[in-house]
Amino acid sequence: QMQLQESGPGLVKPSETLSLTCSVSGGSIRNTNYYWGWIRQTPGKGLEWIGNMYYTGSTYYNLSLKSRVTMSVDTSKNQFSLMLSSVTAADTAVYYCARVLLGTARYFYYYTDVWGRGTTVTVSS
Amino acid sequence: DIQMTQSPSSVSASVGDGVTITCRASQDIGTRLAWYQQKPGTAPKFLISSASSLQSGVPSRFSGSGSGTDFTLTINSLQPEDFATYYCQQAYSFPLTFGQGTRLEIK
Repeated sequence: QMQLQESGPGLVKPSETLSLTCSVSGGSIRNTNYYWGWIRQTPGKGLEWIGNMYYTGSTYYNLSLKSRVTMSVDTSKNQFSLMLSSVTAADTAVYYCARVLLGTARYFYYYTDVWGRGTTVTVSS
Repeated sequence: DIQMTQSPSSVSASVGDGVTITCRASQDIGTRLAWYQQKPGTAPKFLISSASSLQSGVPSRFSGSGSGTDFTLTINSLQPEDFATYYCQQAYSFPLTFGQGTRLEIK
């Protein structure tokens, strides 16, 4: 059974870059049936999709964050990563990595079917 | 972006009751809709795909329906473990968007 685990600092200073890594176990990140994504959750804004990426490195970002987001993949380590630059207190959230189940070209869909446990990131000086 | 609107935002019910939660999309998404259950301190759990397909291991008291813009999640004969927050998510296009959540509380 596939499991995802987030790791990274729990505290980031304002204006700095938040960096998180998601380690995938129980399956290959090269599986063509999935994207790999990040979602964050705050009490005020609820669940917010940050972006997805394919194992080839192609990415899809939320336009509201696009100028600050970079996602990358390391297939040799079965990991993918998130970087969010110029953070402010508004970026304080629980960050989840997730597997996104893809449909087919004829019937596409994007279901977030496996989630990591989440990691709390606080932006504060 | 496709906006997802859930109602009610919270509902109180007793063990054994049935409840229905609705989710409306701002545009036609066919049946590309998911439902998730989240308990405090845990990640959302994937319950239903394609508006009505229960994931493996999800009890049959859960059911989903709808297409186009209007969807419902129904839970029959509520059990203590069902009290949680439920979210819908459109699976049609990026950015993926979620409803604001419906908190199901014990009366």
